[in-house]
Amino acid sequence: AQTVTQSQPEMSVQEAETVTLSCTYDTSESDYYLFWYKQPPSRQMILVIRQEAYKQQNATENRFSVNFQKAAKSFSLKISDSQLGDAAMYFCAYRSMLGSQGNLIFGKGTKLSVKP
Amino acid sequence: GAGVSQSPSNKVTEKGKDVELRCDPISGHTALYWYRQSLGQGLEFLIYFQGNSAPDKSGLPSDRFSAERTGGSVSTLTIQRTQQEDSAVYLCASSASGREETQYFGPGTRLLVL
Repeated sequence: AQTVTQSQPEMSVQEAETVTLSCTYDTSESDYYLFWYKQPPSRQMILVIRQEAYKQQNATENRFSVNFQKAAKSFSLKISDSQLGDAAMYFCAYRSMLGSQGNLIFGKGTKLSVKP
Repeated sequence: GAGVSQSPSNKVTEKGKDVELRCDPISGHTALYWYRQSLGQGLEFLIYFQGNSAPDKSGLPSDRFSAERTGGSVSTLTIQRTQQEDSAVYLCASSASGREETQYFGPGTRLLVL
């Protein structure tokens, strides 16, 4: 079974600085998807960024980028120019491309605080 | 367009009562998922509907939990004889099709069982 591990329960960053959130996963599959979701206090899970495992190029969305290391099974999220609105829980998630397994497998999350 | 909606936003019930939680997916999305988010267990998959196929119920924790999806759209998650350990946030998500599409989440229902 696949597992996702986020080793940092909490992180803090100064406004305008850069922070990196870590995520590792375990799988025997070669094709899959990886996601970072943000969950503010409103509870709504918001997609931050998505990476297909077959793509070597790291995904980027504005201030958010990932460092995808397939051999190491690592998928870290870098937030540049941090803003107060970035404060939230961040969840790393894995999704298989095989069979009928459509569900996401989540890590335990990292709580990000942004200091003004 | 409108996102995934869930109702009620919050639900307080007494132990032993039945509850129904509702999810309205994004219009046109054929896949619908239920997840549970609790302090102790994190985010857990419960059930997955894809079109007219039989649902994937592999994540349901007990036979007190059931879900249905009517007309390929609205879904209801039912918890019978609620227990205190059922207290959690129940999240619904939908995607345009199956495995290859991003899931979009609703705001969740916070369930408290007294």
